[in-house]
Amino acid sequence: GESVGLHLPTLSVQEGDNSIINCAYSNSASDYFIWYKQESGKGPQFIIDIRSNMDKRQGQRVTVLLNKTVKHLSLQIAATQPGDSAVYFCAEMGDYKLSFGAGTTVTVRA
Amino acid sequence: GAGVSQSPSNKVTEKGKDVELRCDPISGHTALYWYRQSLGQGLEFLIYFQGNSAPDKSGLPSDRFSAERTGGSVSTLTIQRTQQEDSAVYLCASSLQSGTGYYGYTFGSGTRLTVV
Repeated sequence: GESVGLHLPTLSVQEGDNSIINCAYSNSASDYFIWYKQESGKGPQFIIDIRSNMDKRQGQRVTVLLNKTVKHLSLQIAATQPGDSAVYFCAEMGDYKLSFGAGTTVTVRA
Repeated sequence: GAGVSQSPSNKVTEKGKDVELRCDPISGHTALYWYRQSLGQGLEFLIYFQGNSAPDKSGLPSDRFSAERTGGSVSTLTIQRTQQEDSAVYLCASSLQSGTGYYGYTFGSGTRLTVV
């Protein structure tokens, strides 16, 4: 699969490969972390969330990993499909609002 | 409604004119948020409502920006004397409640504002 060690704004992935998108968050007191997918002309759509007392959570074809020691979050997408092409944002939940990281544009190559 | 609805979906306005952007949250969602997304950028927080009150307006860029919410439902974001730098997508989100925790924060499709 292809991955991004540090946050990079773009990621090109071969269809069928696994993707890893990385994100650094800022507030060690944040209780929830969420990944969103945003397609062109649409608002962000929820993908998966993880609470701060967990280090891994799996969904359908997606896995989120949380490393609180280095304040790092990652999203793994298995068997990337053309429909996965979008901008992906991580977000952290503070007391009442979400704060968003810089997005990563994922392009899936056929 | 089934989702967060925003109108208009697109708005082109002349510099100096006022604009109003509308957000209809999911029925029963008490918390409502406005964000701004400039081209190719992330989401910038503008304002948060809990019911009809706005405990956090810290993200509003200037006093040309204001927002209100009535009946604990519909919210309007108003930009007065629009400037070209106001051009962006304005996104609204609502959630079941606010507080520590994730309560189904759901976004609308946004209003794309272009100031010419």
